[in-house]
Amino acid sequence: DVKVTQSSRYLVKRTGEKVFLECVQDMDHENMFWYRQDPGLGLRLIYFSYDVKMKEKGDIPEGYSVSREKKERFSLILESASTNQTSMYLCATSAGGTYTGELFFGEGSRLTVL
Amino acid sequence: AQSVSQHNHHVILSEAASLELGCNYSYGGTVNLFWYVQYPGQHLQLLLKYFSGDPLVKGIKGFEAEFIKSKFSFNLRKPSVQWSDTAEYFCAVNARGNNRLAFGKGNQVVVIP
Repeated sequence: DVKVTQSSRYLVKRTGEKVFLECVQDMDHENMFWYRQDPGLGLRLIYFSYDVKMKEKGDIPEGYSVSREKKERFSLILESASTNQTSMYLCATSAGGTYTGELFFGEGSRLTVL
Repeated sequence: AQSVSQHNHHVILSEAASLELGCNYSYGGTVNLFWYVQYPGQHLQLLLKYFSGDPLVKGIKGFEAEFIKSKFSFNLRKPSVQWSDTAEYFCAVNARGNNRLAFGKGNQVVVIP
């Protein structure tokens, strides 16, 4: 089974703090994604990466950045957290090659910004 | 870019009732289609998927979905729900050749024992 591990299940931060969310996968998948999940809005794509050191903006990249220095690890960074970034953050992976779109998700990181 | 519509965000029904959740997408080309489920306190997991072939797809836990190309729809069904089907259900669409998956806003389903 694919295992996607997110470093923190729950975080509480203050406005203006820098926040790191880490995601590690053990299945050698090329593609990695960061989504945020909000009630009534579904999942919205923040950033994704299809290779080491490669990244592409998703639908809502403002206020976020990402880093992928190793294939198995994809980090989401909030340079200066704001209250509207309070959300559930989901990491997902998928195999490259003939891309089918099937995603494997982590448990999620619930971030509260005060 | 493709978009996905799910209606009736909140659904409440009794055990043994039938469930149908609608999913429509806007993309004229070839697509891969998915339903994901998130049980309370758990991570999102794949319920079923359609890539090609028989448009009636069977997934886990007695769920099925039918792809109707002419209607751009991929509706999810279960003939008789159980309390354990209480969850949030998301439809998702991937346009072939595109490495993104677009999600609908989800259906929160509550099954009353």
